[in-house]
Amino acid sequence: DGGITQSPKYLFRKEGQNVTLSCEQNLNHDAMYWYRQDPGQGLRLIYYSQIVNDFQKGDIAEGYSVSREKKESFPLTVTSAQKNPTAFYLCASSPPLRGPSTDTQYFGPGTRLTVL
Amino acid sequence: AQSVSQHNHHVILSEAASLELGCNYSYGGTVNLFWYVQYPGQHLQLLLKYFSGDPLVKGIKGFEAEFIKSKFSFNLRKPSVQWSDTAEYFCAVSFNDYKLSFGAGTTVTVRA
Repeated sequence: DGGITQSPKYLFRKEGQNVTLSCEQNLNHDAMYWYRQDPGQGLRLIYYSQIVNDFQKGDIAEGYSVSREKKESFPLTVTSAQKNPTAFYLCASSPPLRGPSTDTQYFGPGTRLTVL
Repeated sequence: AQSVSQHNHHVILSEAASLELGCNYSYGGTVNLFWYVQYPGQHLQLLLKYFSGDPLVKGIKGFEAEFIKSKFSFNLRKPSVQWSDTAEYFCAVSFNDYKLSFGAGTTVTVRA
């Protein structure tokens, strides 16, 4: 069953701790993305990666870090430098670059992070 | 700067009513346009998309959207909503850079 998995579904952390959110896809997609969803603000792009071992900052990258060592995996670390980390985090992937559906993104179920 | 705006924050309507959600973007070049839907407790899923060709596109669950280039708009419509259409709807635009910019979303509540 192909798709995007994110774990865990709910995550609680104490203020000042780094936390890593998992995102795995078995769709053979090249590009992967991390978004943050806050009420009334839609989805905002944190980081994206179009190919293994390469990634770019999105609109709100401060306080976050990523790695892309494998095509299937794109973990996001929320660091203690992120001033307001409590949010719903969504991972997405899209088909090979310059193909007919390159821009179409498919989303995982999300991780709700609460920092206490 | 490129941006996407959705006109309504929250829409409440009765079953069988018609629905139209507005979406505008600011960019003069080529765009790809999307509507995504997030049902309560479910994944964000693609409703429909426009890349080129017929500006009236049909999606899943009876939804359609019309691209009007001169108005920089991509409005979503459904002639007759059902209670199961209660969800949050997001317009998204790709400004030819392999990224999506999302609107703030519109929450649609359909009363039985």
